[in-house]
Amino acid sequence: TQLLEQSPQFLSIQEGENLTVYCNSSSVFSSLQWYRQEPGEGPVLLVTVVTGGEVKKLKRLTFQFGDARKDSSLHITAAQPGDTGLYLCAGERDTGRRALTFGSGTRLQVQP
Amino acid sequence: NAGVTQTPKFQVLKTGQSMTLQCAQDMNHNSMYWYRQDPGMGLRLIYYSASEGTTDKGEVPNGYNVSRLNKREFSLRLESAAPSQTSVYFCARRRTGALTGELFFGEGSRLTVL
Repeated sequence: TQLLEQSPQFLSIQEGENLTVYCNSSSVFSSLQWYRQEPGEGPVLLVTVVTGGEVKKLKRLTFQFGDARKDSSLHITAAQPGDTGLYLCAGERDTGRRALTFGSGTRLQVQP
Repeated sequence: NAGVTQTPKFQVLKTGQSMTLQCAQDMNHNSMYWYRQDPGMGLRLIYYSASEGTTDKGEVPNGYNVSRLNKREFSLRLESAAPSQTSVYFCARRRTGALTGELFFGEGSRLTVL
């Protein structure tokens, strides 16, 4: 059982559609990050959220941290083929151990 | 490459062989990490190093050893490779002083164990 559960695992949509990816846990996180990974490359950081209820926007991407800091969502408006990739959420807990735990990822394909 | 260079990029081993994956950063940051990525599993932490000369186990350390001989380099060694260690390995650095866990990854090392 993963500490961070992402859903859906796979998503194939048409260009222009909206979508939401979820990242859920029963644990509280001091911060949560979203990364995007393209084939043959390492994950690249998109955003960090630290405050419960926080909402951050990055162009057409909207990230939200749950009030209890146990979950997060990523919403993409009017998806484009360039959004295609693997989206990973990752969190750090207040354990003194400075390491991230990753979700299993959501693979998004946007068809032109 | 986000200031993290991994070598080799590809490697094929036979069961029982040993090898070392090398990682070097050019940002002089304290913390470095080794993760492995398998289909449907996300990234799982193998080992990490909070500072030069210190290392700690992650979620899946069995079958691996690490060395942090200086601030710049963090190597991962497989003493006796097994097919279950076929994976993509990522090294990452964390910005010194960062309050949140923002990591910067290398491009990965793809290892196949036959």
